[in-house]
Amino acid sequence: EAQVTQNPRYLITVTGKKLTVTCSQNMNHEYMSWYRQDPGLGLRQIYYSMNVEVTDKGDVPEGYKVSRKEKRNFPLILESPSPNQTSLYFCASSPSTGGWNTEAFFGQGTRLTVV
Amino acid sequence: TQLLEQSPQFLSIQEGENLTVYCNSSSVFSSLQWYRQEPGEGPVLLVTVVTGGEVKKLKRLTFQFGDARKDSSLHITAAQPGDTGLYLCAGVESNDYKLSFGAGTTVTVRA
Repeated sequence: EAQVTQNPRYLITVTGKKLTVTCSQNMNHEYMSWYRQDPGLGLRQIYYSMNVEVTDKGDVPEGYKVSRKEKRNFPLILESPSPNQTSLYFCASSPSTGGWNTEAFFGQGTRLTVV
Repeated sequence: TQLLEQSPQFLSIQEGENLTVYCNSSSVFSSLQWYRQEPGEGPVLLVTVVTGGEVKKLKRLTFQFGDARKDSSLHITAAQPGDTGLYLCAGVESNDYKLSFGAGTTVTVRA
């Protein structure tokens, strides 16, 4: 089954404790991205990657890191989480970045709480 | 300020009524998409429009892309409780390659 898999689904952590949210897709998509979703603000892009070893900042990259060592995996790293990073996070993948083929396939989300 | 402005933010209607959700921008888009998101799930694509003036129908849902490719609308005819959800528009600007989302419209259809 074609899917984007995120782990964990739920995470409660303390301020400053490094964490990684994993994301894996099995559709051989080139484009992957991370979003955070907050009430009234919709989905805001954190980082995206157009291919292996190619990553770039989205709209809200501060406090986050990513890596793309393999095509299928795109982990999101919070080196020193803070309470304002409490949010619902989504990983997404797309076949390409232009034209009609930009449908984004989303994971089920990771609800992160930083206390 | 969001690139894509959706209105209204919330919409609550009775089963059988019609509704329209709007997505507006000052930018031109090479494509525009509509997603629906249910609680606890990621957004799921409903439709993609790529041509100015394009109209697409998906059962009781009608999607329209503005002639200038700056805006879009989603119209639901005879809404049902199963249409309840968060509707998101998203687009790729003509001179960019990033998919940007609107803040969404929460639709509630009461039985």
